[in-house]
Amino acid sequence: SQQGEEDPQALSIQEGENATMNCSYKTSINNLQWYRQNSGRGLVHLILIRSNEREKHSGRLRVTLDTSKKSSSLLITASRAADTASYFCATDLTGNQFYFGTGTSLTVIP
Amino acid sequence: DTAVSQTPKYLVTQMGNDKSIKCEQNLGHDTMYWYKQDSKKFLKIMFSYNNKELIINETVPNRFSPKSPDKAHLNLHINSLELGDSAVYFCASSQASGRAGQYFGPGTRLTVT
Repeated sequence: SQQGEEDPQALSIQEGENATMNCSYKTSINNLQWYRQNSGRGLVHLILIRSNEREKHSGRLRVTLDTSKKSSSLLITASRAADTASYFCATDLTGNQFYFGTGTSLTVIP
Repeated sequence: DTAVSQTPKYLVTQMGNDKSIKCEQNLGHDTMYWYKQDSKKFLKIMFSYNNKELIINETVPNRFSPKSPDKAHLNLHINSLELGDSAVYFCASSQASGRAGQYFGPGTRLTVT
């Protein structure tokens, strides 16, 4: 299976702390993307990192990619209660073939 | 102004029935997708269409048939519904370049009784 796996499955932190979640995958990829899903809603694209990139930033988000280890991490700095959601990584194999991980459920306690 | 819309939002039906879910995107994207999200939040790709042509058809029962009348629409028809079809179905779209993320619809929660 090409699906990714996020780690941890669940994470609970205090507001203001940083949250780190990891994603591992199995095959060569075109790019890797992170998404957020609030309860009962569709997924929202957060950030895309291409296979030839190692790190990318967007606001309070920092994503790293290690293609040799087939892994990626998403760091959310200075977390807020509004960051409470599930976070998924998705590997893009060919430009339009996406495989999602199992998700990390993040709870930020005010 | 909704980028990707799906109808209906909720669908409750009995086993054996046939139902359809509609999806429309107004983003001008070339590629559209259907995903199934189970109760454990695992999101699995079912179909991918590029310019009205099927490019991915994962291991999905023949009872599921996507239809793309034009680039902006990708509908999902399900025949002979089974209990195991109960899930949330998401439509999504993206540019085919693979340089951007996908835009997801709000989902259709299907419950088969």
